[in-house]
Amino acid sequence: GIQVEQSPPDLILQEGANSTLRCNFSDSVNNLQWFHQNPWGQLINLFYIPSGTKQNGRLSATTVATERYSLLYISSSQTTDSGVYFCAGPSSGGSYIPTFGRGTSLIVHP
Amino acid sequence: DSGVTQTPKHLITATGQRVTLRCSPRSGDLSVYWYQQSLDQGLQFLIQYYNGEERAKGNILERFSAQQFPDLHSELNLSSLELGDSALYFCASSPRVSGRASNDNEQFFGPGTRLTVL
Repeated sequence: GIQVEQSPPDLILQEGANSTLRCNFSDSVNNLQWFHQNPWGQLINLFYIPSGTKQNGRLSATTVATERYSLLYISSSQTTDSGVYFCAGPSSGGSYIPTFGRGTSLIVHP
Repeated sequence: DSGVTQTPKHLITATGQRVTLRCSPRSGDLSVYWYQQSLDQGLQFLIQYYNGEERAKGNILERFSAQQFPDLHSELNLSSLELGDSALYFCASSPRVSGRASNDNEQFFGPGTRLTVL
């Protein structure tokens, strides 16, 4: 099956700092999502981004499908950004069943 | 709020017991997915339903079963529970199913049910 690798596994930032999270795939990319799991366990949609670049406030994401990776940028980080960030990659066949990476655990200190 | 609801939020039960988890998808979404999140296995896909029919199966144990009803809500049944079944169980929904890149595939997750088996 598809392998999804996320880096870095852990990240500690000071409030206000910027960061880039990366997701690599072992096969071609389509149907890619980024999620944030907050400290209460909720999985929140950030982006559905099979290709190209999207922005939402302080967050933006870029997927380069031909090179099998996606990046999530967090600018001016806030303590509320803490949690685990997951990318969910594509699957083959006629249905989108995402394979999740192991996540990047982010802690933002005030 | 994603629009996906799950009940109950927490469930504590004993080994050998049977429980039912319930999920209501977002209004208009036809597809429902179940996932299990445990500390050692991460987020694992269990099963998918589309408009009442099973569409895809993942790493779902034979002790587990699910169904999607005509009103599109879904239930996940876990039986003969073991300590290792303790986990967060998520339901997600998407508008439709498409084999190509499409917003119809975007999945939205419910708040999860935290199951503890003692």
